[in-house]
Amino acid sequence: GAVVSQHPSWVICKSGTSVKIECRSLDFQATTMFWYRQFPKQSLMLMATSNEGSKATYEQGVEKDKFLINHASLTLSTLTVTSAHPEDSSFYICSARAGSPTQYFGPGTRLTVL
Amino acid sequence: RKEVEQDPGPFNVPEGATVAFNCTYSNSASQSFFWYRQDCRKEPKLLMSVYSSGNEDGRFTAQLNRASQYISLLIRDSKLSDSATYLCVEYNNNDMRFGAGTRLTVKP
Repeated sequence: GAVVSQHPSWVICKSGTSVKIECRSLDFQATTMFWYRQFPKQSLMLMATSNEGSKATYEQGVEKDKFLINHASLTLSTLTVTSAHPEDSSFYICSARAGSPTQYFGPGTRLTVL
Repeated sequence: RKEVEQDPGPFNVPEGATVAFNCTYSNSASQSFFWYRQDCRKEPKLLMSVYSSGNEDGRFTAQLNRASQYISLLIRDSKLSDSATYLCVEYNNNDMRFGAGTRLTVKP
């Protein structure tokens, strides 16, 4: 199956700093990439959808100025959590799609903000 | 109302047991459905698509009931390695919605 990577796999940072997470589709071109957040024992919550070369579409309640998404190429999307706070600590997962409904997920990034 | 609802469990079953999960959805126009499996602290992985006529993949059987708006997953002859959280997914108009997941633990 298609492979999606994420980097870093885990990060610990101080409150107020910004963290960038990369999502790459390694063996296919992803027309659409998605960013999810998952708190412990809860479902995946879609944060935003991004199409290559255009602005991301954010879900209701997700601050676009806090969670900056860039989808500069068909194989790379980045999520930057700006001025992170402890409540932003979560498991961030990206996924990529290349036309069919099937989404391929990255391994996730565990963010801990102290 | 949540769009996709699942019983969170946990379901604790012995090895070899048959276990079934249901998932209800609210959007009658939803086009496709999937079951994903998520291990602890890992990303979800596609287990199987759900077809209207029902489909089987080894020990796993998925069914869709559009009239009652639910999908089901049946696991036969449970293995220890089946322990995971199973996510029901609804797809409609380029939009995928995940259920909260049903936790399954298979015990020796």
